[in-house]
Amino acid sequence: QKEVEQDPGPLSVPEGAIVSLNCTYSNSAFQYFMWYRQYSRKGPELLMYTYSSGNKEDGRFTAQVDKSSKYISLFIRDSQPSDSATYLCAMSMYSGGGADGLTFGKGTHLIIQP
Amino acid sequence: DAGVIQSPRHEVTEMGQEVTLRCKPISGHDYLFWYRQTMMRGLELLIYFNNNVPIDDSGMPEDRFSAKMPNASFSTLKIQPSEPRDSAVYFCASSTSQGAGSPLHFGNGTRLTVT
Repeated sequence: QKEVEQDPGPLSVPEGAIVSLNCTYSNSAFQYFMWYRQYSRKGPELLMYTYSSGNKEDGRFTAQVDKSSKYISLFIRDSQPSDSATYLCAMSMYSGGGADGLTFGKGTHLIIQP
Repeated sequence: DAGVIQSPRHEVTEMGQEVTLRCKPISGHDYLFWYRQTMMRGLELLIYFNNNVPIDDSGMPEDRFSAKMPNASFSTLKIQPSEPRDSAVYFCASSTSQGAGSPLHFGNGTRLTVT
């Protein structure tokens, strides 16, 4: 079983829809959870960061962590064509994680249709 | 802030040739990371440096790969000899600390094609 599983998509939804992106993981020691957004031909950029279980909201984006189920989600409300990108989940065991112990999912390709 | 700068953006080379990828991290960042991204394997950490010193190179696939950071503003990743299976997008990233909440700032990558 891979450490982090993420559906590669593509996921295509109409503009204005609510988008749900998900990752599952197997290592119960993960405590720090991140979502990176990667536009075509660009490097990933950090979108959301959460610690342990719970929700975190930032504008149209909500990150949700359920450690009991080993499941994390990213919700995008009122989706826009500019949200079209690949979304990578990432997680770490350490607060000093950075890249040491940081594990990325393979990413979900999201397409928002105008 | 110019961000992390990588060169070249694209590299096409023949099998057996030496390839050198270059990276300039964000000024003041003391961590530098080299990643490789493919459809099959996703984003893989190859090596990272702290204050110009290599800390973990366990992700470097073979002895054909080597990385250096001669000063705080420059790093290279070298592949010698290159093979078709090395074809991928190589990203350099930098960070101010190793904290999980400290984002990795990625460059726009070098797309390597080995024929």
